[in-house]
Amino acid sequence: ETGVTQSPTHLIKTRGQQVTLRCSSQSGHNTVSWYQQALGQGPQFIFQYYREEENGRGNFPPRFSGLQFPNYSSELNVNALELDDSALYLCASSPTGQVTGELFFGEGSRLTVL
Amino acid sequence: QQQVKQSPQSLIVQKGGISIINCAYENTAFDYFPWYQQFPGKGPALLIAIRPDVSEKKEGRFTISFNKSAKQFSLHIMDSQPGDSATYFCAAATSGTYKYIFGTGTRLKVLA
Repeated sequence: ETGVTQSPTHLIKTRGQQVTLRCSSQSGHNTVSWYQQALGQGPQFIFQYYREEENGRGNFPPRFSGLQFPNYSSELNVNALELDDSALYLCASSPTGQVTGELFFGEGSRLTVL
Repeated sequence: QQQVKQSPQSLIVQKGGISIINCAYENTAFDYFPWYQQFPGKGPALLIAIRPDVSEKKEGRFTISFNKSAKQFSLHIMDSQPGDSATYFCAAATSGTYKYIFGTGTRLKVLA
């Protein structure tokens, strides 16, 4: 059973650019969530996808958008990057039918915006 | 009302000692309280979780104590080991959802 994998692991962008981060869910998991973890802070919920549709969103502007594909992999897109977008972006998947809410996190993509 | 307040921010414990991390919440709709452990360069991993129908849950050296009336819960690490050195996050969620509200984290260092 493979875990949650994310790519790229590190990337550097400049302000105003756009970025796409990718996530492959753990096998058998049909729900994916994205979290932003600023340095020294706890993860903050961005949004969740279930069956290819957004199923909940945190307090993030529309320039944060996502996709979930039929194979349950997912993308996080951020447009018009700002310096404050520098953070570790974590993808987490959840198993089908799971009611406990347990999240399985990937190792994250560290984004630096200059 | 959506916040989860975590303390202390950092903690240094001698090997074999007890590490205690505390969290408090406001939203009474929360009914799932996990603790996550995060090592540098890694994503958070579930350590132990509790629901408010019990006041304590123990798994090995890790124990969650839960006080529903005070809206507080804590993680106790017994016989702390250097390998426990990591950042610990408490979180709260409502069953059936996957939106976690995380605390700000506690950086634990266990001295050998």
